[in-house]
This record gives sequence, structure tokens and C-alpha cells, in this order.
Amino acid sequence: QVQLVQSGAEVKKPGASVKVSCKASGNTFSGRYIHWVRQAPGQGLEWMGWLNPNTGGANYAQKFQGRVTMTRDTSISTEYMELNWLTSDDTAVYYCARVALGLSHFDDWGQGTLVTVSS
Amino acid sequence: DIQMTQSPSTLSASVGDRVIITCRASQSISSWLAWYQQKPGIAPKLLIYKASILESGVPSRFSGSGSGTEFTLTITSLQPDDFATYYCQQYDTYWTFGQGTKVEIK
Repeated sequence: QVQLVQSGAEVKKPGASVKVSCKASGNTFSGRYIHWVRQAPGQGLEWMGWLNPNTGGANYAQKFQGRVTMTRDTSISTEYMELNWLTSDDTAVYYCARVALGLSHFDDWGQGTLVTVSS
Repeated sequence: DIQMTQSPSTLSASVGDRVIITCRASQSISSWLAWYQQKPGIAPKLLIYKASILESGVPSRFSGSGSGTEFTLTITSLQPDDFATYYCQQYDTYWTFGQGTKVEIK
């Protein structure tokens, strides 16, 4: 199975932005949609949105619209999630996940990136 | 938005027990439901998709059933490796997760 490798942990101040990357191992470009999911400490999973790596098109959960941007660099098989105007409520582990071929559930996950927002 | 409600939130069980976790959707999602297992500090792992299809490599003691708004995940003969938190996820309209069910050692 292709592994998704995410960038390392980040510490940010309130009001700042964070950009997390997600790269398929072996530079494999599958073209499958990449989703982003976050998990606050001790909490459940929260869907943030998806990116179509073929077109660059994206769709965001209403909660994050206007504050999140999902992009990709096809030359290096890497997807990005940038979240702006961070608050302490954004402290969480952020996961990228890939949909199964022809379906919509997630069959591959990145290892997660901890983003801590603290003054 | 479609809401997903799991029950119970926590379940205490022993090795060898049969465990059933329920997931209810706020509206019909046909069979567009997946189950994931998550252990502390590790990304979720897919167990079942389309309500009842076992992901390749997942032990057969896991099974899923249901359609519409009511779904269950059953673990027959709970094993030490199965103590974890389980999440349901609907993907009929956007994507929503249940709040999770923690299976702990009794």
C-alpha cells in the first residue's frame, strides 16, 4: 500500500498560519482525492475538506471555509493544507487521508501532524 | 449536515467477549458507512466499508451490518489487540464521523 508521509510537528502563535504537507511515498501519483481530517486532544475525528490532485479543485467543510486552503504540487506528488487565523481551538493532530479507488471511504492515512497553537 | 451517533461511548469487555457497537445516522445514508479502528497516537485504520465489506487483511472476527440509518460493528471473540477506539463514518453526503467508542479492558 502507498504510504502518505506528512510534515513534522508545528508550534504556532494565535493569529498565525500553518501549512501541512502530505506526500505519497515513492513519488507515486495516484490521482485519488486527498482529504484532511483533524483530531483535537482527546477528541474525535473532524472532516475538513478534500482536494482533487488532478485538477486542483477543492471542497471545504463549511466550518473551515474562508480559513483553509488545500493545494497540490503534482511535480513532487505532494498535497498541502494551509489553515489561517489560528486559535487555541485549532490545536490538533491533522491527518491527510486518501480515498479508495472508485469509492469514497479512506483506505490510506498519513501519520498525522501535531499543530500546537499557543502564545 | 448528517450527524452520526455512536453507542456506547465506552465499553468495558474481556478477551473472548462478543462486542457490538451501534452507529445511527440522522438521515438515511444507504450503505455508505465505514468503520475505523484507532489506537493512541496512531492514525485510524480502515476495517469495514460500504457497511459490511471487510477491508483486505482485517481479521474475520470483525463484521459490519445495517443500512439506512442503523449500523453495527461486531467483534466476535475480542482479542488483546482489539482494545482501541472505533469510529463510524458516513460518506453519503460529505463526510462525518461518529464521536467514537472506546473499548477498554474490563
